[in-house]
Amino acid sequence: GESVGLHLPTLSVQEGDNSIINCAYSNSASDYFIWYKQESGKGPQFIIDIRSNMDKRQGQRVTVLLNKTVKHLSLQIAATQPGDSAVYFCAENIAGSARQLTFGSGTQLTVLP
Amino acid sequence: GAGVSQSPSNKVTEKGKDVELRCDPISGHTALYWYRQSLGQGLEFLIYFQGNSAPDKSGLPSDRFSAERTGGSVSTLTIQRTQQEDSAVYLCATTRWAGGEQYFGPGTRLTVT
Repeated sequence: GESVGLHLPTLSVQEGDNSIINCAYSNSASDYFIWYKQESGKGPQFIIDIRSNMDKRQGQRVTVLLNKTVKHLSLQIAATQPGDSAVYFCAENIAGSARQLTFGSGTQLTVLP
Repeated sequence: GAGVSQSPSNKVTEKGKDVELRCDPISGHTALYWYRQSLGQGLEFLIYFQGNSAPDKSGLPSDRFSAERTGGSVSTLTIQRTQQEDSAVYLCATTRWAGGEQYFGPGTRLTVT
């Protein structure tokens, strides 16, 4: 079936470096994508979203890139900090649809001192 | 304002017992979702409520699972005759409108012994 998946289950980066977390999706009808951050013992927290009419969107220290040609999106975190250590999920949906979000399995980001 | 709240935060129960998990949505949010998250996994959709419409139960894994939403506000997820494979974190999310950004509660960690 169609699903959203992640390339790497774990990622370790040095504090201060930039992080890139990748995600592949297979539902060509999806036009709305969200990145969530989940810290241990907490529910997922919204980071940034992007609609399919855009290929890049920037937030505070985060950037999401969308490549619809290869059905790939990435989350870039600038100057990674210890507080960024968490599991990051990408999720897809059809904007305006009542469909539930489809989540990938997540990437564990560990920031090394 | 207050976020999505869930209770209890932790629940340990014996195999075969029934459990009820509660979700209090953000005031004014019309859509409510239940997800299940097994250890180290992504989120698995269970059920979706939107206003007075019939709920989307397509994600419920068996007839032991049921949910209701009273008065378009509080929701209760019930698991009857719990099994060990039901052990997981159960997350509730709400949105202001269908397909919008989902705000998650902290989850209920269910352990079936």
